[in-house]
Amino acid sequence: KQEVTQIPAALSVPEGENLVLNCSFTDSAIYNLQWFRQDPGKGLTSLLLIQSSQREQTSGRLNASLDKSSGRSTLYIAASQPGDSATYLCAVRGYNQGGKLIFGQGTELSVKP
Amino acid sequence: DAGITQSPRHKVTETGTPVTLRCHQTENHRYMYWYRQDPGHGLRLIHYSYGVKDTDKGEVSDGYSVSRSKTEDFLLTLESATSSQTSVYFCAIRASGEETGELFFGEGSRLTVL
Repeated sequence: KQEVTQIPAALSVPEGENLVLNCSFTDSAIYNLQWFRQDPGKGLTSLLLIQSSQREQTSGRLNASLDKSSGRSTLYIAASQPGDSATYLCAVRGYNQGGKLIFGQGTELSVKP
Repeated sequence: DAGITQSPRHKVTETGTPVTLRCHQTENHRYMYWYRQDPGHGLRLIHYSYGVKDTDKGEVSDGYSVSRSKTEDFLLTLESATSSQTSVYFCAIRASGEETGELFFGEGSRLTVL
């Protein structure tokens, strides 16, 4: 059974700091991994999608890496801003789960001015 | 914007009443999903559809049914709502790619069952 874990559950940093969010998964037989952002009371916004054949993806100040063999992904946020405050979720789509997306519990990020 | 609209956005109902939530998409995607999100449980898949009239169960399908009579609409029905079905419900679509496509979510429907 695929399990997705995100540590830490919550993180508070001062504005301007570079930070890393972690995502680990137990079954490396995946099609891809996707990072989302969720603001309070809102839906999920897709940030980055990494296919299993890729090592990383970048979008603006965001960089996501994937190490399939070790079952890990990181989301790097450069020069954090208060507007980055949100919950960040990772999700994996695995071969052995019928292609279904399995979500982590999320990391709640707070960036202080 | 993946062109996903959920309705209603908020609903309060009483135990035992039927409830239908609608998900509408404008971009003709084949795969559509219904998730629920609850504190402590995260996002859990209820049902999904891989085409008109083609649906399958997710991990928490008991008490829910779905229908997809048109590509653009995916309906989630609670035949007889219970308090345990109080939740935020999200519809999602998968953009192109049988297994590799990106998932996009709607804004959610907040359901309260009294």
